[in-house]
Amino acid sequence: NAGVTQTPKFRILKIGQSMTLQCTQDMNHNYMYWYRQDPGMGLKLIYYSVGAGITDKGEVPNGYNVSRSTTEDFPLRLELAAPSQTSVYFCASRQSGTGHEAFFGQGTRLTVV
Amino acid sequence: DQQVKQNSPSLSVQEGRISILNCDYTNSMFDYFLWYKKYPAEGPTFLISISSIKDKNEDGRFTVFLNKSAKHLSLHIVPSQPGDSAVYFCAAKIINRDDKIIFGKGTRLHILP
Repeated sequence: NAGVTQTPKFRILKIGQSMTLQCTQDMNHNYMYWYRQDPGMGLKLIYYSVGAGITDKGEVPNGYNVSRSTTEDFPLRLELAAPSQTSVYFCASRQSGTGHEAFFGQGTRLTVV
Repeated sequence: DQQVKQNSPSLSVQEGRISILNCDYTNSMFDYFLWYKKYPAEGPTFLISISSIKDKNEDGRFTVFLNKSAKHLSLHIVPSQPGDSAVYFCAAKIINRDDKIIFGKGTRLHILP
């Protein structure tokens, strides 16, 4: 049982480059989330989705874009990478209804140089 | 403006003793609270949660206490074990609203032999 899978695990980008962080879940969860974790700063919500075709901004959405064309996939796009986007990115999902806890992927460590 | 606050960046506790991790929140609309545990290079994993209609929830060695009037919750781990050494995140959400899960900065727990 894979759960929430993120790829890649590590990536180094040059300033101004673009990339997509992939996230897929096989639990048929409606809700999906993207967080970033900076040292000593906890987890900040970037974007989230309550179902296919529906996305909304979180606490720190600037510089990112998302799409949700299927229930399983929730990619995060960085169009013009900046050093401030160096962070560890976590994708999470949860079931609607009574399952309030979210399940997290292993994370993607991104460095922008 | 931080809505979920964990004011202790780290905590050291002797093995076998009680670990108490604290969390404060500012948004009185929050009605569901969660604790997550995170090991290095892994994603956070759900530990225990509590609804605002309760003031205590227990699961094995882990107990969460909620004081709504003080907007404060705490996680008790008894007895503390070496495998409990990790970063603990407090999180909160508003059920049936925008479904954002907001995290605190985390507390690093060290269990001493």
